[in-house]
Amino acid sequence: EVQLVESGGGLVQPGMSLRLSCGASGFTIGDYWMSWVRQAPGKGLEWVANIKQDGSERHYVDSVKGRFTITRDNAENSLDLQMNSLRAEDTAVYYCARGGLRDQLLCANWGQGTLVIVSS
Amino acid sequence: DTQMTQSPSTLPASVGDRVIITCRASQSINNWLAWYQQKPGKAPKLLIYKASNLQSGVPSRFRGSGSGTEFTLTISSLQPDDFATYYCQQYNSYSGAFGQGTKVEIK
Repeated sequence: EVQLVESGGGLVQPGMSLRLSCGASGFTIGDYWMSWVRQAPGKGLEWVANIKQDGSERHYVDSVKGRFTITRDNAENSLDLQMNSLRAEDTAVYYCARGGLRDQLLCANWGQGTLVIVSS
Repeated sequence: DTQMTQSPSTLPASVGDRVIITCRASQSINNWLAWYQQKPGKAPKLLIYKASNLQSGVPSRFRGSGSGTEFTLTISSLQPDDFATYYCQQYNSYSGAFGQGTKVEIK
């Protein structure tokens, strides 16, 4: 069974950093594009970043470029999101998602999410 | 970047109704479109991929159609479990923009 489990969320002050992790089981992460998607309280889904199977390509939504970094460790079957210079508007539930086998850039499977609150 | 616009934002409906949600892309996305269902406090669930392909395990009352820039999600006969928020997502480009969502609520 495919499982994705996010961790690392919490309360952080504006300007500070936080690192989210996503542990995968039931599949080999190295076979798939992986993504982070977030959802601010009461709002819709926002795609944040994705990363190719071998880590050679990474893409970000404009609002996080230069502040967030997506990485992966295929040997550990895990995905990370390093978030620096956090802002109040980054407050959201952050989901990691696995791509499809053929439709590689969609979000075929999702974790349960981890909540990040940026507030002083 | 490709922008996605869904309509309506809210859709009051009753059990048994046929429900249609529309998603428009700001440019052609070559049918690289997915539909997701999300219930309160839960992660989204993939329903449809490549505009019209039903994800395994999803009931056949869900149907996706469309091409180019205009797409629809149809629920042929709304069931109690279908009251939820639905999102489209384009994945033609690397930035996988979502629509703003359509909440299907009890009329």
